[in-house]
Amino acid sequence: QQPVQSPQAVILREGEDAVINCSSSKALYSVHWYRQKHGEAPVFLMILLKGGEQKGHEKISASFNEKKQQSSLYLTASQLSYSGTYFCGTEKSLGSTLTFGKGTMLLVSP
Amino acid sequence: DAGVIQSPRHEVTEMGQEVTLRCKPISGHNSLFWYRQTMMRGLELLIYFNNNVPIDDSGMPEDRFSAKMPNASFSTLKIQPSEPRDSAVYFCASSFGGTWAEQFFGPGTRLTVL
Repeated sequence: QQPVQSPQAVILREGEDAVINCSSSKALYSVHWYRQKHGEAPVFLMILLKGGEQKGHEKISASFNEKKQQSSLYLTASQLSYSGTYFCGTEKSLGSTLTFGKGTMLLVSP
Repeated sequence: DAGVIQSPRHEVTEMGQEVTLRCKPISGHNSLFWYRQTMMRGLELLIYFNNNVPIDDSGMPEDRFSAKMPNASFSTLKIQPSEPRDSAVYFCASSFGGTWAEQFFGPGTRLTVL
């Protein structure tokens, strides 16, 4: 089942904060976040594992509520470079493949 | 270092023609994924290889689609015969490890079937 992302789109001014949510109807092992700029390939942001381990390498934080099968991506003090479409990918169990949501489009304006 | 390489970048073909998309993963990566992206359906996994072996092909739409990975540095996705509904951007991604690891995406091939 495809995870559900909300909101579908958000417009921010530079410096504002945003939260993007991803929820699944099934139990999850991990949640992956990717960002895709227009006309480009998706780029990895972060992995959140069951048990609380988090792996990422951007100034973006996220949370993973295993009981609710939900993850949230927190973008604080947004920059113009944050604009793009954010996808969450969910993994039901270790070794299963990712199922991506339809994405949340983020536009940061000056 | 070169990332994932895909060719061609753009392909325009007529319905019924055979289409072959190519992918070279990052050297040392042992997992390879083919995805299809459309506005309607988003990013869908077509097939996943691990150590050159197809592990999950449940996303391959139908028999018209086939994928091979003859060695660790090359994979193809073939559509025969192509149909207008196959029009999409096809991404190849690779990772070191498995499905749980960070995936590195290629630039994609934009396929248009007339």
